[in-house]
Amino acid sequence: QKEVEQDPGPLSVPEGAIVSLNCTYSNSAFQYFMWYRQYSRKGPELLMYTYSSGNKEDGRFTAQVDKSSKYISLFIRDSQPSDSATYLCATNAGGTSYGKLTFGQGTILTVHP
Amino acid sequence: GAVVSQHPSRVICKSGTSVKIECRSLDFQATTMFWYRQFPKQSLMLMATSNEGSKATYEQGVEKDKFLINHASLTLSTLTVTSAHPEDSSFYICSARGGSHGNEQFFGPGTRLTVL
Repeated sequence: QKEVEQDPGPLSVPEGAIVSLNCTYSNSAFQYFMWYRQYSRKGPELLMYTYSSGNKEDGRFTAQVDKSSKYISLFIRDSQPSDSATYLCATNAGGTSYGKLTFGQGTILTVHP
Repeated sequence: GAVVSQHPSRVICKSGTSVKIECRSLDFQATTMFWYRQFPKQSLMLMATSNEGSKATYEQGVEKDKFLINHASLTLSTLTVTSAHPEDSSFYICSARGGSHGNEQFFGPGTRLTVL
């Protein structure tokens, strides 16, 4: 079993839709949770960074963490064609593995006009 | 966010040659830099972690003699793929962490390596 599981999709939605992206993880030591957006042939771009359970909102993006269920989500409101990319969840345990990220497989999202 | 650059953006080389990839943090001091490899339609796989002035720590299965990492300054790390072979063809991405950014990592744009 992978430490971080993410549905690779692909996911196709119409412009304006609400998008829900999800990951589950198995290691209870994971404390930090991130969502990255990666356009084709580019490096990942940090979208959201959370530490505790609950919601964190930034513009059209909301990250949700449920540590009891080991479940993390990213919601995109009013999705735009420019949101079409691969979305990667990532986690980190902190401590001696400070900075070492474990990534999900990535979900390919297409928002069509 | 912070800016991390990589050079070159893409490189094509012959089998058996060595290729050096540079990773620079442009507006902060990166105490730690990470090197990842990404195959098509797959996620990023961590290859090694390097702290400035120290030897890199390699992940299991990554040959340290083949993938030489140098982190000589707080703004520059290099990855040298020695005696490259076609199976080394991949997308190599670095990330950097440090300064006032705490645990956040910022990624470079990646380097596409093609070994003929």
